[in-house]
Amino acid sequence: DAGITQSPRHKVTETGTPVTLRCHQTENHRYMYWYRQDPGHGLRLIHYSYGVKDTDKGEVSDGYSVSRSKTEDFLLTLESATSSQTSVYFCAINGLAGGNEQFFGPGTRLTVL
Amino acid sequence: QQQVKQSPQSLIVQKGGISIINCAYENTAFDYFPWYQQFPGKGPALLIAIRPDVSEKKEGRFTISFNKSAKQFSLHIMDSQPGDSATYFCAAHPGETSGSRLTFGEGTQLTVNP
Repeated sequence: DAGITQSPRHKVTETGTPVTLRCHQTENHRYMYWYRQDPGHGLRLIHYSYGVKDTDKGEVSDGYSVSRSKTEDFLLTLESATSSQTSVYFCAINGLAGGNEQFFGPGTRLTVL
Repeated sequence: QQQVKQSPQSLIVQKGGISIINCAYENTAFDYFPWYQQFPGKGPALLIAIRPDVSEKKEGRFTISFNKSAKQFSLHIMDSQPGDSATYFCAAHPGETSGSRLTFGEGTQLTVNP
């Protein structure tokens, strides 16, 4: 998985609780992304980062925040989890090495009860 | 707003057959069209990609056909094998320099029967 780890890999939480997912890369890539994957919707971009402390919203950013204090770590926070945020979350990195390929992490399965 | 439409949602093919997955887009600024393959419990992985200056790209049993005027591109898997059973996503890059964002299709679940 191109030097990308995600933690936790599985999480079950209650509605209204805060949740933080972590993405860690060892590739020193500038761009990092958070996606959610749901049946019938493919992969939808939540937030992305183009450098330390530089982030921007994707198409489904409501209810999510992100932070990037170091090149290697990109955190996704659900301030107050809802059942609609039950999903599989993927982190990705992009090296821009002559193309636009994105490398994905193994994913985090989040269930909000 | 879905900018890349993918079909079919699911596809069943016999071993040795040809699997064909189609995608259509609206944004003429898209300049890079990758296909990703995803096995259960794994993250998507780049399979093959094409730029709009060519009409076809082949890598082994996998071929992308690109029709710029119709704003369509498709993935062909020749001699499909049970090991090809996976979910396939098409995607498109918007041609902007900020963030290298990709827009993904909805995905196609391919099953290749032995």
